[in-house]
Amino acid sequence: TQLLEQSPQFLSIQEGENLTVYCNSSSVFSSLQWYRQEPGEGPVLLVTVVTGGEVKKLKRLTFQFGDARKDSSLHITAAQPGDTGLYLCAGVGYNTDKLIFGTGTRLQVFP
Amino acid sequence: GAGVSQTPSNKVTEKGKYVELRCDPISGHTALYWYRQSLGQGPEFLIYFQGTGAADDSGLPNDRFFAVRPEGSVSTLKIQRTERGDSAVYLCASSLMGESTEAFFGQGTRLTVV
Repeated sequence: TQLLEQSPQFLSIQEGENLTVYCNSSSVFSSLQWYRQEPGEGPVLLVTVVTGGEVKKLKRLTFQFGDARKDSSLHITAAQPGDTGLYLCAGVGYNTDKLIFGTGTRLQVFP
Repeated sequence: GAGVSQTPSNKVTEKGKYVELRCDPISGHTALYWYRQSLGQGPEFLIYFQGTGAADDSGLPNDRFFAVRPEGSVSTLKIQRTERGDSAVYLCASSLMGESTEAFFGQGTRLTVV
């Protein structure tokens, strides 16, 4: 069974602080995606990383895929209240379209 | 429609009853996924379809749960003899086949078993 553990589970910070969310697994994935979900809505894709060691930047968000393709991180610089939400990593195995989600990190950014 | 549509948005049912949850995917998307999500947790995989067939149903918790996609478009998740533990938000997503493709989610059906 492929499991994706995220840490921390909860994060409550002040506006302007930096933070990192981790996504770890014992399984190897062909690609890894990060989603953000707001209350009452479905998850929305932020980024997909495909190559081991890959780093992608999306404005204040930096995503990294581990060299061994088993883990990933999301770093947010100068967090804003609009970043508040549930952040989810999701892995795609090899030779499958099955998408497995991580346990989730709930972020709250206070003004 | 432009996005994934799930109906109903909310469903309250009595313990032991049968329920059907419907998902209309984005037109042309061949892959369709069902997930179950508890508050504050990540979506739990239930089943996914490639076209009309269930490519992987390993996440269905027991034989009370069943899903179909007879024409490769609309899918229905069916739950028999509902239990209070089945209460959750059921999410549907669709995507084009292939690795690294984005999954587009509906807003979910909130199922409450009383």
